[in-house]
Parts: sequence; structure tokens; C-alpha cells
Amino acid sequence: GAVVSQHPSWVICKSGTSVKIECRSLDFQATTMFWYRQFPKQSLMLMATSNEGSKATYEQGVEKDKFLINHASLTLSTLTVTSAHPEDSSFYICSPSLNPYEQYFGPGTRLTVT
Amino acid sequence: RKEVEQDPGPFNVPEGATVAFNCTYSNSASQSFFWYRQDCRKEPKLLMSVYSSGNEDGRFTAQLNRASQYISLLIRDSKLSDSATYLCAVTPHNKLIFGAGTRLAVHP
Repeated sequence: GAVVSQHPSWVICKSGTSVKIECRSLDFQATTMFWYRQFPKQSLMLMATSNEGSKATYEQGVEKDKFLINHASLTLSTLTVTSAHPEDSSFYICSPSLNPYEQYFGPGTRLTVT
Repeated sequence: RKEVEQDPGPFNVPEGATVAFNCTYSNSASQSFFWYRQDCRKEPKLLMSVYSSGNEDGRFTAQLNRASQYISLLIRDSKLSDSATYLCAVTPHNKLIFGAGTRLAVHP
């Protein structure tokens, strides 16, 4: 099956700092990247969709200036949480996709903002 | 109304039991349907796709009712290792949207 890596797997940062999360598809090229976040005991909520070389499309209620997404290549996408606050503490999961019917998931990054 | 709604759970069942999960979706234009399994602090793993004719994979059976916008998952002969959260997911607008998940705990 497809291999997806995310880095870091967990991170603790102080309020006001920025955190960058990397997502790589190791054995395939993803035309589309989806970013999800999951709060404790809740479902995965889609944050944004990006296509390689294009600006990301954000879901309603997700601040594009706070969650910066870069999809510079077909194998790498990054999500930067800027000026993090404790309410941004969550489990962030990337999902590279070959097409709407083949979507894979990274192992997730657990962010804790203190 | 949420796009995808599931039984809230949790379901606590003994080994060997049969358990059924239900899921409804609001967007009739949804084209693909899935059941995922998620273990604690892990990413979701695809359990099975759901087809209009219904499909089975070992102890797992999935059904789709487009008219009622309803998806179900049946697990027969539950194992301890089936304990997890089960998420249904649909794809309106070429985006995978998840339900809140139903927690299953199988006990000896």
C-alpha cells in the first residue's frame, strides 16, 4: 500500500510560536493533499484541500492566514500553524490523494500548545 | 445538520457478538462511501468501501441505501481486536467527509 510519512509525530510548543508539519508521500505522487484535524473524541474535520502548485482551498471556519499550507511538489506538503494558541492543540493528519477514490493518510502529528 | 451522522455509541459487546453500526449522510450527490477503523491516537485505516449492491469482507458486511441516504456496517463474531472507533465517510464534492465515529469495545 501507499506509504505516507508525517513529521514531527508529536510536538509541544509555547503560545505564540509557529509550528511546521511536513507530509510526504514516499512511494507515489499525490495530485491533491487534504489536511484534517481531530480534537479529542471528535471526528476528523477537513481543514483544507490543496493541489500541487496551487493555493489551498480552506473549509468554512478555517483561517487561511493561521494555517498556511504549501504544496510545492507532488510528494511534499507542509502545514504551518502560525501564532499557535492552546485551542490549536489537536491531532493533525495529512491525506495525499491520487484521485477522489484513492486517499491515504499520514500517521498524524499531535500538537500541544502550552 | 451534520453532513455525516453516526450512532453515538459506545457499543460494549462480548466476544462473538454481532454488532451493527449505522450512518446517514445529507448530501444526495455523494458518490463514494467508506468505513474506516481508527485506533486510539492513530490515523484512520480503510476497512472497506461500500457499494450499492452491498459487499462483504470476511466477518464484515457493508450496505448502502441511496434512497434513504443510509450506510451500515455489520460485524459478526466480534473479536477483542475489533475494539476501535469506526468512522463512516462519504465523498460529496470529491472531498472525504467523516462521521463522528462510533466506539466499539469488545470484552472477553
